[in-house]
Amino acid sequence: GIQVEQSPPDLILQEGANSTLRCNFSDSVNNLQWFHQNPWGQLINLFYIPSGTKQNGRLSATTVATERYSLLYISSSQTTDSGVYFCAVERNAGGTSYGKLTFGQGTILTVHP
Amino acid sequence: NAGVTQTPKFRVLKTGQSMTLLCAQDMNHEYMYWYRQDPGMGLRLIHYSVGEGTTAKGEVPDGYNVSRLKKQNFLLGLESAAPSQTSVYFCASSYKRTQYFGPGTRLLVL
Repeated sequence: GIQVEQSPPDLILQEGANSTLRCNFSDSVNNLQWFHQNPWGQLINLFYIPSGTKQNGRLSATTVATERYSLLYISSSQTTDSGVYFCAVERNAGGTSYGKLTFGQGTILTVHP
Repeated sequence: NAGVTQTPKFRVLKTGQSMTLLCAQDMNHEYMYWYRQDPGMGLRLIHYSVGEGTTAKGEVPDGYNVSRLKKQNFLLGLESAAPSQTSVYFCASSYKRTQYFGPGTRLLVL
């Protein structure tokens, strides 16, 4: 199956700092999503971004599908950004996308006040 | 809208017991999914459904069964629970490929 590697595994920041999280994947994909899991366990979808660049407030994401990686940028981090960030992909098998996501191990982000 | 809801929130089972986890969504989504999350790991897909009356296996389907009798509900069953099934179970539904998750069910099998 497809391999998904996220880096770094852990990241500690002071409030106000910027950060970049990386997701590498081993095969062509037709579906890539970034999620934030807050300290209470809730998973929130941040971006659906199989290619290109998107921005939503202080967060932005870029996927370079031809080079098989995606980046999540967090600017001016806040304590509420703490949690685990997951990248999830679906391998492009040439047919319909059913959303069969394979998740990476996640990046644990801690933002200190 | 309630979004995606899961019942129960927490359950303790003894080895060999059976149970059903219920997932409900009020967003009229066609696709629904069951995942499990183990400590320090990402989520793994158990089963999924692309519409009412249809189900398919995911990455880790062994020991689980599912049913989608109504579009808004997706049930996950454990016929004979094992300690290896101790996990947090998440349900999701999707619209235009974006997946929306429920709050999770924490299951402990003794």
